[in-house]
Amino acid sequence: DIQMTQSPSSLSASVGDRVTITCRASQSISSYLNWYQQKPGKAPKLLIYAASSLQSGVPSRFSGSGSGTDFTLTITSLQPEDFATYYCQQIYSIWTFGQGTKVEIK
Amino acid sequence: QVQLQESGPGLVKPSETLSLTCIVSGGSVSSGSYYWSWIRQPPGKGLEWIGYIYYSGSTNYNPSLKSRVSISVDTSKNQFSLKLSSVTAADTAVYFCARFHMKWLDAFDIWGQGTMVTVSS
Repeated sequence: DIQMTQSPSSLSASVGDRVTITCRASQSISSYLNWYQQKPGKAPKLLIYAASSLQSGVPSRFSGSGSGTDFTLTITSLQPEDFATYYCQQIYSIWTFGQGTKVEIK
Repeated sequence: QVQLQESGPGLVKPSETLSLTCIVSGGSVSSGSYYWSWIRQPPGKGLEWIGYIYYSGSTNYNPSLKSRVSISVDTSKNQFSLKLSSVTAADTAVYFCARFHMKWLDAFDIWGQGTMVTVSS
């Protein structure tokens, strides 16, 4: 199976901060990488698909980049509603998720 | 607006079979654009893809669960179902059904709210 490793596992940030989350695949997955946001007690929500395409309705402060093995999710100006856990997911082979990155309020 | 809703027992005994159903509303499970999937999340942990089914009945399962999993679809009722046999405490989790958009998103774009299943005697 392809292992997906996110870093950091958690971070503390303030409203207005720029936040970057990294996801690394154990082998090349081209651009078959999605990002989801999950709030406590809720289902995940799709943010980014195909590594860098913004899902309809998602604010433009979210962006994704990368290909091959290294990927990044960036939130340019953190808003109160962005405090959540973020997961990457590869769909290159057996679908797997990263372990998650929890974004907390500083 | 397509919505998914999971239903099934919240408590299952060890060694028994977990059975859940996902009802699709506002859209058709017979659409050729989607894989209908199950994903689970143990308490406080990350997400694990279980498997999916296409409206035709073709399936794909996570190898780690393949020997115990069966996913079926009922197009007449517009729903799909999950069966997981020989459950243990390790199968305790929130189970989500989700739609995988295979045409141009290649991602899970719609999710059910999730249902907690506890394996305990």
